[in-house]
Amino acid sequence: DAKTTQPNSMESNEEEPVHLPCNHSTISGTDYIHWYRQLPSQGPEYVIHGLTSNVNNRMASLAIAEDRKSSTLILHRATLRDAAVYYCILFNAGGTSYGKLTFGQGTILTVHP
Amino acid sequence: DTGVSQDPRHKITKRGQNVTFRCDPISEHNRLYWYRQTLGQGPEFLTYFQNEAQLEKSRLLSDRFSAERPKGSFSTLEIQRTEQGDSAMYLCASSSGLLKETQYFGPGTRLLVL
Repeated sequence: DAKTTQPNSMESNEEEPVHLPCNHSTISGTDYIHWYRQLPSQGPEYVIHGLTSNVNNRMASLAIAEDRKSSTLILHRATLRDAAVYYCILFNAGGTSYGKLTFGQGTILTVHP
Repeated sequence: DTGVSQDPRHKITKRGQNVTFRCDPISEHNRLYWYRQTLGQGPEFLTYFQNEAQLEKSRLLSDRFSAERPKGSFSTLEIQRTEQGDSAMYLCASSSGLLKETQYFGPGTRLLVL
């Protein structure tokens, strides 16, 4: 499985934007970039995904580098409820992966009031 | 639709006992996954079902672990002769199998083996 590299932790202030980076230099052409987050004492929650183009949804934005070797999850205005572990995952829809997700250690985001 | 549910939410057992966890996926989802998560680590894949067929098992799933999904609906994960190293959060997720493969996770069952 292609690997991702994320900072162990990041901090932000409430109502400020947060940019969470992810490096995936060995990404293949058919790998989607997925982001999940896990709030304390809960199961992971889907945030956003993309293939080549930047993506926006109600939760966040995903900016994908032109060479696809890195991406950035953008939370436009962090709230205390965004404090969580954020996972960047490469998902290959084809092959024999059967859709299983390979989680790394993720980035622990702390949001200060 | 109430999402993915898991039961129980917490389980404390003594070493050597058997435990069984249940997962109820989102009703129209044909894919179901089990993951295990230890403290400070991301979830690790254990096994996958498409409808009632178990199509993949991780090497993490020793012979003491067995999972079923009768009739392609709910799933159970049983651990026989539990060991202290089995203490973890057991997460269930389901998906519809569409291209984007978004998985919806349950709240997990936290197991403590004494």
